[in-house]
Amino acid sequence: QKEVEQNSGPLSVPEGAIASLNCTYSDRGSQSFFWYRQYSGKSPELIMFIYSNGDKEDGRFTAQLNKASQYVSLLIRDSQPSDSATYLCALSGEASGTYKYIFGTGTRLKVLA
Amino acid sequence: GAVVSQHPSRVICKSGTSVKIECRSLDFQATTMFWYRQFPKKSLMLMATSNEGSKATYEQGVEKDKFLINHASLTLSTLTVTSAHPEDSSFYICSGLAGGSYEQYFGPGTRLTVT
Repeated sequence: QKEVEQNSGPLSVPEGAIASLNCTYSDRGSQSFFWYRQYSGKSPELIMFIYSNGDKEDGRFTAQLNKASQYVSLLIRDSQPSDSATYLCALSGEASGTYKYIFGTGTRLKVLA
Repeated sequence: GAVVSQHPSRVICKSGTSVKIECRSLDFQATTMFWYRQFPKKSLMLMATSNEGSKATYEQGVEKDKFLINHASLTLSTLTVTSAHPEDSSFYICSGLAGGSYEQYFGPGTRLTVT
């Protein structure tokens, strides 16, 4: 059983729409959650991190964490073609050992102009 | 966000030679650095965790004698791929973790091709 699950996509959304990316995890001891964006051929770039239940907003991005249901999501408002990339969900905590991440396989997002 | 650099960005080497990749945290002190490799269209695979001044901790299946890691200072970790073979060709990425923080900041990666 995978510890972090993401739909591989591609998720296609029209420009200006809201893109919703989801991630579920199996270990209830997980404490910290991260969203990274990775363009093809490049390394991951940190977009958001969230540690507490609820929503956290940063510009066009909102991370949502629900520990009871064991999911974390990322909403991208007013999606732009430049948002087209693979989005990686990662978590750390008891499942992975101190500070190590467990990554999902990523969701490929395509924003259509 | 914090900045991590890697050098070189690309390297081509012949089978049997060794290659050293440097990872530097430019504007923070990285008490812990991580080394990953990534194959095309796959997620990142953690190779080892490196703490300044101590031996690296390798993940299961990663040969420590083949992938030598040194974390000599709070801003520099190196990965040496020894006796490289074509199957070692991959995208190698490091990340740094500042003390008291949980967020990893990634370097730009090094693309290694072994011919």
